[in-house]
Amino acid sequence: DQQVKQNSPSLSVQEGRISILNCDYTNSMFDYFLWYKKYPAEGPTFLISISSIKDKNEDGRFTVFLNKSAKHLSLHIVPSQPGDSAVYFCAASGGGGADGLTFGKGTHLIIQP
Amino acid sequence: KAGVTQTPRYLIKTRGQQVTLSCSPISGHRSVSWYQQTPGQGLQFLFEYFSETQRNKGNFPGRFSGRQFSNSRSEMNVSTLELGDSALYLCASSTRGVSGNTIYFGEGSWLTVV
Repeated sequence: DQQVKQNSPSLSVQEGRISILNCDYTNSMFDYFLWYKKYPAEGPTFLISISSIKDKNEDGRFTVFLNKSAKHLSLHIVPSQPGDSAVYFCAASGGGGADGLTFGKGTHLIIQP
Repeated sequence: KAGVTQTPRYLIKTRGQQVTLSCSPISGHRSVSWYQQTPGQGLQFLFEYFSETQRNKGNFPGRFSGRQFSNSRSEMNVSTLELGDSALYLCASSTRGVSGNTIYFGEGSWLTVV
């Protein structure tokens, strides 16, 4: 059973526009959420995180929104740049960390010039 | 500040052999966790070590094991390798543990089993 879901395997966005990546989760015990960016043959790079006590966290061009009632979070990238083209993973932890980080399957973001 | 360092980066093993992968965490980080990435299953948690003790374990067979040393460096071992063990193995470190904290990943070790 997939507890963290990223339903869009890929997303294409024009350079300069907003990229919105979505993530849904089913485990209500999750209390900390993270977004990672990954290039092929490299390890994931941490982007931004949010605790369940907040509904928004911002860092430069990246903003994460959390809707606990809907068990949904999203990552907004504004403006999108060519270097943002990568696979983005949503991850969650909680319940005392019993299962480490639980990852979604990733969304491949492609920024079009 | 140096990041998480994993060795070796690439290796090829034969079915039935065993393999040991090494990870040096970010200085000051006491938690090390390991993940397996495959095209079919995505990123899956293997185990976490904190202060030389295994704190959490994912749903993997006993052929997958690990340990952590007093300097926080960690190793993972896979015995009796199977073709399905071919994957990218990622090590990550954090200050206090996985839950509620940001964890930082290394570049990974690419294992191919033939």
